[in-house]
Amino acid sequence: AQTVTQSQPEMSVQEAETVTLSCTYDTSESDYYLFWYKQPPSRQMILVIRQEAYKQQNATENRFSVNFQKAAKSFSLKISDSQLGDAAMYFCASHVYNQGGKLIFGQGTELSVKP
Amino acid sequence: AAGVIQSPRHLIKEKRETATLKCYPIPRHDTVYWYQQGPGQDPQFLISFYEKMQSDKGSIPDRFSAQQFSDYHSELNMSSLELGDSALYFCASSVLTDTQYFGPGTRLTVL
Repeated sequence: AQTVTQSQPEMSVQEAETVTLSCTYDTSESDYYLFWYKQPPSRQMILVIRQEAYKQQNATENRFSVNFQKAAKSFSLKISDSQLGDAAMYFCASHVYNQGGKLIFGQGTELSVKP
Repeated sequence: AAGVIQSPRHLIKEKRETATLKCYPIPRHDTVYWYQQGPGQDPQFLISFYEKMQSDKGSIPDRFSAQQFSDYHSELNMSSLELGDSALYFCASSVLTDTQYFGPGTRLTVL
């Protein structure tokens, strides 16, 4: 069974600084996607970034980038130039492309940004 | 860009009552997923539909049922509601099993 683990329940970063959120996963499949979703106080689930497992190049979306280590089954999210609006719960998630696509979420990391 | 629409946004029910949650996927998305998020928890997969057929089933109670209609909207029917059913219910849509985009959620409170 797929599992996703986020070992940091809470993280804090100073505005304009950089922070890295950790995520590890376990799957026996070869074709899968990994995602980071952001859930602000509004509780909306917002896609931040995605990574296809077959791609070696790390995904980047503006100030957000990932460090995907396939052999180590690690998928960390780096947020550069942190902004107050980045404060939220961040969920790491995985899905297997050819098995219905349901998302398996980690426990979440609550990120606070200090002005 | 059009997003996933869920209605109602908030719902208050008594124990043993019935509730129906509706989801309208992003246009041209053919797959719909339902998730339940309890307080302080991560979302848990309930059920999914592809082209109006159930494609996968998770930890969905027998008291719950769902379907996807010809216009691709989906409804989650919940009967004999229990206090423990109080949660945020998300619908997400995708093209096939590609990236899922979530709706704003329906907050269900069972009194």
